[in-house]
Amino acid sequence: AQSVSQHNHHVILSEAASLELGCNYSYGGTVNLFWYVQYPGQHLQLLLKYFSGDPLVKGIKGFEAEFIKSKFSFNLRKPSVQWSDTAEYFCAVNALGGDSWGKFQFGAGTQVVVTP
Amino acid sequence: DTGVSQDPRHKITKRGQNVTFRCDPISEHNRLYWYRQTLGQGPEFLTYFQNEAQLEKSRLLSDRFSAERPKGSFSTLEIQRTEQGDSAMYLCASSPPPGGTYEQYFGPGTRLTVT
Repeated sequence: AQSVSQHNHHVILSEAASLELGCNYSYGGTVNLFWYVQYPGQHLQLLLKYFSGDPLVKGIKGFEAEFIKSKFSFNLRKPSVQWSDTAEYFCAVNALGGDSWGKFQFGAGTQVVVTP
Repeated sequence: DTGVSQDPRHKITKRGQNVTFRCDPISEHNRLYWYRQTLGQGPEFLTYFQNEAQLEKSRLLSDRFSAERPKGSFSTLEIQRTEQGDSAMYLCASSPPPGGTYEQYFGPGTRLTVT
């Protein structure tokens, strides 16, 4: 069965610091990869996605992620965070084919707190 | 607002009672998903519809849970004889027809508290 692991459960950093959140998945086939963000009191919103092509994808609010197929990783980055980036971040994998088609497998999430 | 909507947003019920939640997907989306999220965890897949057909159901879903999407539009999730362990956020998501990007759009969720 596929699984998704996010390396950090909690991250605390200061404004203007750089952010990198790790995500690894276990599935040998074709995958679509996503990062979702959940701001306090709000619902899950798509941050960025990878389907094919350039492994470096850019999303909203200055976020980007790099797909490294050989490492089964899809790490999220932002060069300089703002207080408004305080949120919970979820990595999700959509494995294509077999009995996994359609559903997302989410990681446990990383709570990011940005201090002024 | 043309996003995914869920009703109610909060539900408090006593153990043993039945509850029903509703999800209205984005109108042109033919795929609809239910997830459950507990504190400190990511959303966990429950079930999935394509139009009115329920194509997949998690093995973790007990027989007390049932979902329907009778006309391929809105969906309901019913939990019978609720237990305290059912307390969670129940999320609905929808996505466009196959051939699209499989991106899922989430609703605000229904928070269930079983006392």
